[in-house]
Amino acid sequence: QQKVQQSPESLIVPEGAMTSLNCTFSDSASQYFAWYRQHSGKAPKALMSIFSNGEKEEGRFTIHLNKASLHFSLHIRDSQPSDSALYLCAVRSSGSWQLIFGSGTQLTVMP
Amino acid sequence: NAGVIQTPRHKVTGKGQEATLWCEPISGHSAVFWYRQTIVQGLEFLTYFRNQAPIDDSGMPKERFSAQMPNQSHSTLKIQSTQPQDSAVYLCASSFASSNERLFFGHGTKLSVL
Repeated sequence: QQKVQQSPESLIVPEGAMTSLNCTFSDSASQYFAWYRQHSGKAPKALMSIFSNGEKEEGRFTIHLNKASLHFSLHIRDSQPSDSALYLCAVRSSGSWQLIFGSGTQLTVMP
Repeated sequence: NAGVIQTPRHKVTGKGQEATLWCEPISGHSAVFWYRQTIVQGLEFLTYFRNQAPIDDSGMPKERFSAQMPNQSHSTLKIQSTQPQDSAVYLCASSFASSNERLFFGHGTKLSVL
C-alpha cells in the first residue's frame, strides 16, 4: 500500500522568499507525481505534475523528482501572500488509478 | 464550464440517519473519483468510476457506504446509519479517462453528524 508523506507540516516564509516543500513515497513503481494547492474553504486545484526524473518549471513553480530517493519536491520562487494555502502532494502507482495524497503542508507567506 | 458541481454544500444529520451526496462531473470527463477530507486523516480515496462503471472501491467502508453512477452526468455517495466519525468534507473529482490526467475537484459537501 502506497505511503505518501509530506514535510514540513507547516511553514511560514516572508514575501519574496524561496519556498521548498517535500514529499516522499514508498512505491518505487510509482509513475505519476503531482502537486495540488487548496486555499482555505476551496477545492484542491492541480498545480503541476511530472512523470520522469528531473525538473520541470512553470512560472515561479519548479517540481523536482528523484525516483531512486523516493522523493519529489515543489519550489516556489518569489513567494507571494496569495500563495498561502495547503499544498498537497499526490502519487499514482503503476497499474493503479488511485491518486494517493499526502497530509499536506500549510504554507503562510507573510507580507 | 461550471466545473464539478457538488450538492448540498453542507449537510447536517443525526446519528443513525442516511445521507446522500450528489456530484455532477465536468461534461466530457469519463473518470469520477470520490475522496473524503478530514484534519486528522487528510485526503482519503474512497472510490472511482470510469465510463460509469465502478472500477475501484477499495477505500470505501464496506458496511455503510455505497456509490453509484447511473449516468454520465451524475454520481451519488450514500452513507447509511451515519456516525459522528463520518463527519468530513466529501470531495468529488473528475478527469479525462487517462491515468495521468489532472483531477478537477468540486468544492465538496461538508457532512456534520450530530
